[in-house]
Amino acid sequence: EIVMTQSPATLSVSPGERATLSCRASQSVSSNLAWYQQKPGQAPRLLIYGASTRATGIPARFSGSGSGTEFTLTISSLQSEDFAVYYCQQYNNWPITFGQGTRLEIK
Amino acid sequence: QVQLQESGPGLVKPSETLSLTCTVSGGSVSSGSYYWSWIRQPPGKGLEWIGYIYYSGSTNYNPSLKSRVTISVDTSKNQFSLKLSSVTAADTAVYYCARADVYLPDYWGQGTLVTVSS
Repeated sequence: EIVMTQSPATLSVSPGERATLSCRASQSVSSNLAWYQQKPGQAPRLLIYGASTRATGIPARFSGSGSGTEFTLTISSLQSEDFAVYYCQQYNNWPITFGQGTRLEIK
Repeated sequence: QVQLQESGPGLVKPSETLSLTCTVSGGSVSSGSYYWSWIRQPPGKGLEWIGYIYYSGSTNYNPSLKSRVTISVDTSKNQFSLKLSSVTAADTAVYYCARADVYLPDYWGQGTLVTVSS
């Protein structure tokens, strides 16, 4: 099973600033990496797939990069609605696995 | 617009079988090439993909749960179901049903909390 490790566990950022979230895979997942946003009491929402492709309706301030084992999600200018928990997911190998999440909180 | 809704008991006793159903509207479980999936999230923790059933009826389960899981589909009711046997407190979680385009869930149910307790 591929283990996904996200860092940091919690990130405190001020509105309008940039946030950078990291995800590392225990072995290469090529570009088969997705990012999700989850708000309290809601199901996750797909943000990025293929490591860098925004899902339908996702604002351009969200961008993803990386390949192999190291990935980054960048939110260029944080809006109030962006404070949430973010998960990375590898879909290169079964079982599909998720990271433990990064909580993005208001500084 | 595809919508999914989980239903089933919110409380299950240890060693018993957890049973949940997902009702799909706005789409068909027997059309397209989607993975009709169950994903769970223990309180305050991350996500775990339990398994899925393909529109053809084939299934794939997480090896960590494979011995206890069965996912089935009822095309006449446009539903798919999860059974998880021999549950313990570690199976307490919010259970989501989802439609996945290959391995990317694009539509999710609202989730249902299942607590395992006597």
